[in-house]
Amino acid sequence: GQQVMQIPQYQHVQEGEDFTTYCNSSTTLSNIQWYKQRPGGHPVFLIQLVKSGEVKKQKRLTFQFGEAKKNSSLHITATQTTDVGTYFCAGPYSGGSNYKLTFGKGTLLTVNP
Amino acid sequence: DVKVTQSSRYLVKRTGEKVFLECVQDMDHENMFWYRQDPGLGLRLIYFSYDVKMKEKGDIPEGYSVSREKKERFSLILESASTNQTSMYLCASRGVYEQYFGPGTRLTVT
Repeated sequence: GQQVMQIPQYQHVQEGEDFTTYCNSSTTLSNIQWYKQRPGGHPVFLIQLVKSGEVKKQKRLTFQFGEAKKNSSLHITATQTTDVGTYFCAGPYSGGSNYKLTFGKGTLLTVNP
Repeated sequence: DVKVTQSSRYLVKRTGEKVFLECVQDMDHENMFWYRQDPGLGLRLIYFSYDVKMKEKGDIPEGYSVSREKKERFSLILESASTNQTSMYLCASRGVYEQYFGPGTRLTVT
């Protein structure tokens, strides 16, 4: 079935440094979603991208959807300790219910103050 | 605010026991999901329900069953718990397109 690959698995940064996580799909995606899970918490929806080449910003977070709609990235500018957590991308299942998501394995971000 | 609640945060069961994990959402969502989360493996879909009494298998349904008798409640059942089912279990419901997750149940099977 469809796979969503996410890299890196871990990233440790100094506070103030930038951070990027990348998501790649083996198939074209109709959309891609991003979630954040704080340590000890549950995943929380951040954003959905739908259009080819789309770029969306939420304060210091920038989300991009590739032109071919097979890859996406999340970039955080000037990380803060509040950014700590695991970031997941998720795309809809192919060949099945459009409501199901397949999640990447996530990137765990740690920030050294 | 959407609220998804799960019956227990922590649960310890013995091998062979029947285990029920309950999930309730208060937003009248049609779609609900059960995932398990394991280190290094991310979130894996166990079962999906698209309406009352309607269900669909996810990626790892073996050893699990589900029940959805009412719209707001989606139950995950481990017929005979095994140690390899020790995990974090997350329930979610779907809004317009995004999923809302419950706080999770950390199940330990000894």
